[in-house]
Amino acid sequence: GAGVSQSPSNKVTEKGKDVELRCDPISGHTALYWYRQRLGQGLEFLIYFQGNSAPDKSGLPSDRFSAERTGESVSTLTIQRTQQEDSAVYLCASRRLSYNEQFFGPGTRLTVL
Amino acid sequence: QQQVKQSPQSLIVQKGGIPIINCAYENTAFDYFPWYQQFPGKGPALLIAIRPDVSEKKEGRFTISFNKSAKQFSLHIMDSQPGDSATYFCAASGGTSGTYKYIFGTGTRLKVLA
Repeated sequence: GAGVSQSPSNKVTEKGKDVELRCDPISGHTALYWYRQRLGQGLEFLIYFQGNSAPDKSGLPSDRFSAERTGESVSTLTIQRTQQEDSAVYLCASRRLSYNEQFFGPGTRLTVL
Repeated sequence: QQQVKQSPQSLIVQKGGIPIINCAYENTAFDYFPWYQQFPGKGPALLIAIRPDVSEKKEGRFTISFNKSAKQFSLHIMDSQPGDSATYFCAASGGTSGTYKYIFGTGTRLKVLA
């Protein structure tokens, strides 16, 4: 079956511009996570969605970052007024209810010039 | 208390060697410990996972050893191959929140020489 997909695969933007990153989770996966991975670093949790519950936004680094998810489908991560330190790979993962395993997408590589 | 410390940062072994990657945690509420493998340009993929009620788990050439009292766990790769060259991340999750949120280690870049 189809895995987690993310788009675009690469995004180059100028400092100060807004960007939107998209994640399509595996069908039937109610939980969805966003992570940030800086070059050569580990995965940094950003935000978690579970069904219709309020999202866990505890990992968002600033108010320039926001994310939305409608129901149990697509999610978008928005970064406003991008800064050079936002350059990273943004990974999305989804999970079935009551199962531990998270399935990751290929990521979006964001470069802020 | 939410950190997972991973070592070494990088590792080079000869083909057939047994690289060992170590992780340590502090939060005793963690109850699920996965290892993820990541190739360049790809997202991480689950390799093997363990729960604290067992001390060892093997899947093919990959083994997790778990020491609950020391709050440590490690990944062993038997008969390593050049195709195992990748970055490996340990993680921990659990507790009562039900979010299954992972705390990841910082990663180990493994290179297996032919």
